[in-house]
Amino acid sequence: ETGVTQTPRHLVMGMTNKKSLKCEQHLGHNAMYWYKQSAKKPLELMFVYNFKEQTENNSVPSRFSPECPNSSHLFLHLHTLQPEDSALYLCASSQDGFLAGGFWETQYFGPGTRLLVL
Amino acid sequence: KNEVEQSPQNLTAQEGEFITINCSYSVGISALHWLQQHPGGGIVSLFMLSSGKKKHGRLIATINIQEKHSSLHITASHPRDSAVYICAVGGGNQGAQKLVFGQGTRLTINP
Repeated sequence: ETGVTQTPRHLVMGMTNKKSLKCEQHLGHNAMYWYKQSAKKPLELMFVYNFKEQTENNSVPSRFSPECPNSSHLFLHLHTLQPEDSALYLCASSQDGFLAGGFWETQYFGPGTRLLVL
Repeated sequence: KNEVEQSPQNLTAQEGEFITINCSYSVGISALHWLQQHPGGGIVSLFMLSSGKKKHGRLIATINIQEKHSSLHITASHPRDSAVYICAVGGGNQGAQKLVFGQGTRLTINP
């Protein structure tokens, strides 16, 4: 039990569909993250939220829209995706996020949502 | 050339062997992570270190800041150690939020 849950675990969608990925953490953390892991490519950080405020957007296309209604929940809204967006999408959380000076604390990962875009 | 390079990319060994996975990076950092990703995608953070050496059970991680190199060692390897091991660096002159990941090393331990 990681304390970070993601739903759904698997998702197949067409390019015209709209879907949302959900992440929930039960650890009392204040920072949450979305990552993308494509086949045979390194993990890519997509978005960072500290205390419900988005503090990082790593040049992610607008067809990915994050939402963080509170410190325990994080969503990734998907619309008009492309087949190359097929990947494993991982959510993570950490206690307080990135502190001034670049200190990076331990992140706890969810199991991921495996997305296939047809 | 990636900012974080891991070697080897794939490693197969027999149960009981001593395993070493290497990570070299080309950017300034404030911390380096070793992560373990099991089949199915779940990721576990193994170590976070900024200097020296850390040990958890059969796992040992070392880092040499001057040489920009880290190693992950597994002693008395076991089939359940089979996973992808990922090196990731952050902070330093990349900015507080920038994270860079290696491509991972796929480890298979045969019984």
